[in-house]
Amino acid sequence: AQTVTQSQPEMSVQEAETVTLSCTYDTSENNYYLFWYKQPPSRQMILVIRQEAYKQQNATENRFSVNFQKAAKSFSLKISDSQLGDTAMYFCAFMKHPSNAGGTSYGKLTFGQGTILTVHP
Amino acid sequence: EAQVTQNPRYLITVTGKKLTVTCSQNMNHEYMSWYRQDPGLGLRQIYYSMNVEVTDKGDVPEGYKVSRKEKRNFPLILESPSPNQTSLYFCASSLLGLDSFNENLFFGSGTQLSVL
Repeated sequence: AQTVTQSQPEMSVQEAETVTLSCTYDTSENNYYLFWYKQPPSRQMILVIRQEAYKQQNATENRFSVNFQKAAKSFSLKISDSQLGDTAMYFCAFMKHPSNAGGTSYGKLTFGQGTILTVHP
Repeated sequence: EAQVTQNPRYLITVTGKKLTVTCSQNMNHEYMSWYRQDPGLGLRQIYYSMNVEVTDKGDVPEGYKVSRKEKRNFPLILESPSPNQTSLYFCASSLLGLDSFNENLFFGSGTQLSVL
């Protein structure tokens, strides 16, 4: 079974600075997807960024980028130029690729515990 | 607008009183699932459905039922709610057919359930 660990329950950062959220995972699979989701106070789950394990290049989406270290099973999220609107809970998540996902694993997201990020003015 | 609609957003009930949380999607997705979110545990899958009349248990199915009679709807049923089912619930859907896979899940807005 896959596990996802976010070791930082809470983080804070000053507006305009950079912050990195950590995520490690455990799997024996070679092909999978990794995600970061943002959950603001509205509770909506918003996809921030995704990474396909077979791609070496780290994913980026505007101010958000990841550091994907497949061998170390690490998937950290870097937020540059932090904004007040980035204040939210952030979840790291794992999904098996469908080619090797059977039974109850198909389409299932395995989430970490979450990190509460507060951006201070 | 493509969306997953959950109702209600908030629900307070008492132990043992049957309730249903509805979920509907307008994207013709085959795959739908339910998650619960608890502090320190993240989100955990309760049930999922790969298509009409095809449902299966996730990681924490005890105390819950689901049905998938139509492609767009996937209600979550708590036949005899207990206080340990107090949680934030999310419905999600995706295009996860075997021939057309899209790993991005669309989430509903969540239902905060309190069982007294």
